[in-house]
Amino acid sequence: AQTVTQSQPEMSVQEAETVTLSCTYDTSESDYYLFWYKQPPSRQMILVIRQEAYKQQNATENRFSVNFQKAAKSFSLKISDSQLGDAAMYFCAYRSVRANFGNEKLTFGTGTRLTIIP
Amino acid sequence: DVKVTQSSRYLVKRTGEKVFLECVQDMDHENMFWYRQDPGLGLRLIYFSYDVKMKEKGDIPEGYSVSREKKERFSLILESASTNQTSMYLCASRPLPRDTTSNTEAFFGQGTRLTVV
Repeated sequence: AQTVTQSQPEMSVQEAETVTLSCTYDTSESDYYLFWYKQPPSRQMILVIRQEAYKQQNATENRFSVNFQKAAKSFSLKISDSQLGDAAMYFCAYRSVRANFGNEKLTFGTGTRLTIIP
Repeated sequence: DVKVTQSSRYLVKRTGEKVFLECVQDMDHENMFWYRQDPGLGLRLIYFSYDVKMKEKGDIPEGYSVSREKKERFSLILESASTNQTSMYLCASRPLPRDTTSNTEAFFGQGTRLTVV
């Protein structure tokens, strides 16, 4: 079974600065997907960024980028130019590539609460 | 925009009651999921469904059952609510991937915070 570990329960960053959230995972599979989800106080989970394991290039979405290290099984999220609206709970998640039914679930980490300091 | 709607944002029930949590999605997605979210534990999968009347147990199915009579609706049932089922419940849906390289996104509802007293 796959596991996802987020070792930072809480992080804080000054507005406009850069912060990196850590995520490691354990799997025996060679192909899979990784995700970062954001959950603001409204509780609505929002997809921030996704990465396919077969792609060597790190994914980027505007101010959000990842550092995907497949050999180390590490998938960190970097937020540049932090804004007050970035304050939220961030979850790292893993999903198998196989499209067989029974392998569709997302496995989540325990989350990192990010605070933005004005 | 895809919309996943959960019937209640807050719910308070008594121990022993039968509780129904309803989830509806409007994008004809095949896959639907129920997760439970607890502090320090993240999101844990309770049940999921890949088609009407089809269901699979997730990681923590004990004390729960589900129903999917129509494609757009996925219900989570607590047969006899207990205080240890006090939690946040999140529903999600996702279209079936066309092939193994398709990476379709899961969409979540706004969550139901259930308190069992």
